[in-house]
Amino acid sequence: QSALTQPASVSGSPGQSITISCTGTSSDVGAYDYVSWYQQHPGKAPKLMIYEVTNRPSGVPDRFSGSKSGNTASLTISRLQAEDEADYYCSSYRNSNTHIFGGGTKLTVL
Amino acid sequence: QVQLVESGGGVVQPGRSLRLSCAASGFTFSIYGIHWVRQAPGKGLEWVAVIWHDGSNKYYADSVKGRFTISRDNSKNTVYLQMNSLTDEDTAIYYCARLKQLAFDLWGQGTLVTVSS
Repeated sequence: QSALTQPASVSGSPGQSITISCTGTSSDVGAYDYVSWYQQHPGKAPKLMIYEVTNRPSGVPDRFSGSKSGNTASLTISRLQAEDEADYYCSSYRNSNTHIFGGGTKLTVL
Repeated sequence: QVQLVESGGGVVQPGRSLRLSCAASGFTFSIYGIHWVRQAPGKGLEWVAVIWHDGSNKYYADSVKGRFTISRDNSKNTVYLQMNSLTDEDTAIYYCARLKQLAFDLWGQGTLVTVSS
């Protein structure tokens, strides 16, 4: 049960856009439209940012968007702000009623 | 207030057992599956286990299968994680999380489990 593959780190300046990729397999990301994304600030619990690949929960800014192509999902953050600096994790439903997370990506706002 | 609150963490010796609890409030607990997710110090999130809303099905990560048991008491709005034969690789913050539309939409604050002699 290897983790989904995410870049270890990404960075961007305020106002810019960044994209974080999340690569899985045909048993998880490629098989289901049940990819979600989480933001985690240091010492805090994760927070749901995107569910079902593209949907934003109430209260999440529209600067956050998700997409998927084949076995790879992506999270894009537009108009970067200082408070977006955090760790980001993708997750996918997979076969056998289990779930899998990505290894996490540290976003630095320069 | 809609929340999940974990408890039961602490320091435990290798090979020993510990039981975590996850108490829910502010929502209809009995209609939701509840998961445990852990995070080793400085590491990423790892899915651990799930119990369906009515307790009829339970699934585990390979890393804990046969050692951990998830259960729930809907009359107490609580989910439990019984952890046996603990090793230092089980050291982590353990979060419980509610599943909605196959995403974890509500998380507890976590409870720290440290396995050390």
